[in-house]
Amino acid sequence: DGGITQSPKYLFRKEGQNVTLSCEQNLNHDAMYWYRQDPGQGLRLIYYSQIVNDFQKGDIAEGYSVSREKKESFPLTVTSAQKNPTAFYLCASGPGQGIRVHAQIQYFGPGTRLTVL
Amino acid sequence: GQQLNQSPQSMFIQEGEDVSMNCTSSSIFNTWLWYKQDPGEGPVLLIALYKAGELTSNGRLTAQFGITRKDSFLNISASIPSDVGIYFCAGLYNFNKFYFGSGTKLNVKP
Repeated sequence: DGGITQSPKYLFRKEGQNVTLSCEQNLNHDAMYWYRQDPGQGLRLIYYSQIVNDFQKGDIAEGYSVSREKKESFPLTVTSAQKNPTAFYLCASGPGQGIRVHAQIQYFGPGTRLTVL
Repeated sequence: GQQLNQSPQSMFIQEGEDVSMNCTSSSIFNTWLWYKQDPGEGPVLLIALYKAGELTSNGRLTAQFGITRKDSFLNISASIPSDVGIYFCAGLYNFNKFYFGSGTKLNVKP
């Protein structure tokens, strides 16, 4: 089955702890993205990557970090520096080679809901 | 960044009714996408539109790329309870970047 998987589905974190959200895709997509979704708001871009070992900050990167060591994987770490981390986090990937990274149609994973206690 | 205005923000309808929602902007867009997000899940791509005036269907869903290229419309016919969710539009600006609307929340009463 081709697709994007995110784990875990639900995550609880104590204040002051770092936590890592997993995103894996077997679609052979080059581009991968992380978004944050808050109730009643649109999607806000955290980080994106168009190629292995390269990634760029999105609109709200502060308090987050990523890595892209493999084409299939793009984990997101929510650090203790993120002031308001409770949110729904969505990973996405896009297929096109040679297409600008933000111009690609994006396919989303099922999301991870992070709650800070 | 570009602003996409989705309306209505939310709607409550009776099962069997038809639904219309739209996405508008003051800028011209090159591609329009419509996604549906079920509660607690990720958005799923429903329809992609590439040309002004294009009308595309996916089952009971029909979407149109506005003739001015500044808007797009999504219609759902004969709604059913599983249509409940949030519908997002996304527009490709200047062939360079997709911008997302803030969503229309649809509630269907059986």
